[in-house]
Amino acid sequence: ETGVTQSPTHLIKTRGQQVTLRCSSQSGHNTVSWYQQALGQGPQFIFQYYREEENGRGNFPPRFSGLQFPNYSSELNVNALELDDSALYLCASSPQPISSYEQYFGPGTRLTVT
Amino acid sequence: GENVEQHPSTLSVQEGDSAVIKCTYSDSASNYFPWYKQELGKRPQLIIDIRSNVGEKKDQRIAVTLNKTAKHFSLHITETQPEDSAVYFCAASKGDSNYQLIWGAGTKLIIKP
Repeated sequence: ETGVTQSPTHLIKTRGQQVTLRCSSQSGHNTVSWYQQALGQGPQFIFQYYREEENGRGNFPPRFSGLQFPNYSSELNVNALELDDSALYLCASSPQPISSYEQYFGPGTRLTVT
Repeated sequence: GENVEQHPSTLSVQEGDSAVIKCTYSDSASNYFPWYKQELGKRPQLIIDIRSNVGEKKDQRIAVTLNKTAKHFSLHITETQPEDSAVYFCAASKGDSNYQLIWGAGTKLIIKP
């Protein structure tokens, strides 16, 4: 069984730029959720993808967008980066798009916006 | 909007003693309450969860209690060990969706030798 992986590990971008983060889900999982975790805070839900469609979204602006591919891997895209976007971005996969299923987290991508 | 408050933000206990972390939630429709542990530099991992039709659940040294009337739930760790040192997050399912969790801000647990 392959665990959840994310790339890159670290990223430094300038305000106004665009970024793409990648996530490979655990084998057998069809659902990927993305979270933003600011320093000293709990994860904030960005959105969830299920079978290549956005299944739900948290309180994040449209410049946060995503994709899911047929192999259930996923991308998070952030346009027009702002300083406040600096955070750890976590993806989590699960076997079903229901919150009561255990979410398996990746190691995260640390994004710094300068 | 819905939120989950978690206390304390930092908890320091002597090795072998018990630790209790408390969370309150605002959404009365929440029905699923997981606890995740995040060790330094590592990913969050589920350690225990409870559903709204159960008042208490135990797994070895870890237990969770739920009071739906008061809308709060707690994590209890007995006989704490150095490897229990980590940040613990509580979460509650969002009532009007079946896919979203609302997370607490986390508790840093420090086990003193």
